[in-house]
Amino acid sequence: QLQLQESGPGLVKPSETLSLTCTVSGGSISTNIYYWGWIRQPPGKGLEWIGTISYSGSIYYNPSLKSRVTISVDTSKNQFSLKVNSVTAADTAVYYCTRVWHSDPSWLDPWGQGILVTVSS
Amino acid sequence: QSALTQPPSASGSPGQSVTISCTGTSSDVGGYNYVSWYQQHPGKAPKLMIYEVSKRPSGVPDRFSGSKSGNTASLTVSGLQTEDEAYYYCNSYAGTNNFGVFGGGTKLTVL
Repeated sequence: QLQLQESGPGLVKPSETLSLTCTVSGGSISTNIYYWGWIRQPPGKGLEWIGTISYSGSIYYNPSLKSRVTISVDTSKNQFSLKVNSVTAADTAVYYCTRVWHSDPSWLDPWGQGILVTVSS
Repeated sequence: QSALTQPPSASGSPGQSVTISCTGTSSDVGGYNYVSWYQQHPGKAPKLMIYEVSKRPSGVPDRFSGSKSGNTASLTVSGLQTEDEAYYYCNSYAGTNNFGVFGGGTKLTVL
């Protein structure tokens, strides 16, 4: 059974870089059938798609975040990562990683448990 | 990028049916049959309930169904049960420059 687990600092200072890693277990990240994505959810608010990456490195970013976001994949570690630059309080959210079916990019399953990242000095 | 429009709340009594709408544009919901629905209980990760507008993943009760007409997708929950009380989010593909756009979410209350 495929599982995803987010990891990284839970507290980031304003203007610094938020860095998270998603570790995939129970299956290989190197597949042409699935992509891998990041979604976030500010406290008490809705879901926001951040970006999606294939194991071969094709990347798709939310246009509203593209200038500050970098997503990468490390097939040797079965992980993919997220970096958000120049963070502000508005980037405070639960960050989820998920698997994306390439035939229907709205298909997201399973999800990691999520990690709360707070931006505060 | 604008979020898809969902009603903030919906409700029904046990056994009844309720439908939640998700309105977008011809660039997302209306342009592709790639609409999915997610159920989220408080403090939990979202769970896929419907994909490709109307398909159910294995394990999702057939009480949940999806449809689409024009730029509006809908999720119908029949035979409401107390455990259906949760937030529901729609998600649509919107092209290679915009892989996913979510609705604002609907809180379903089972009275």
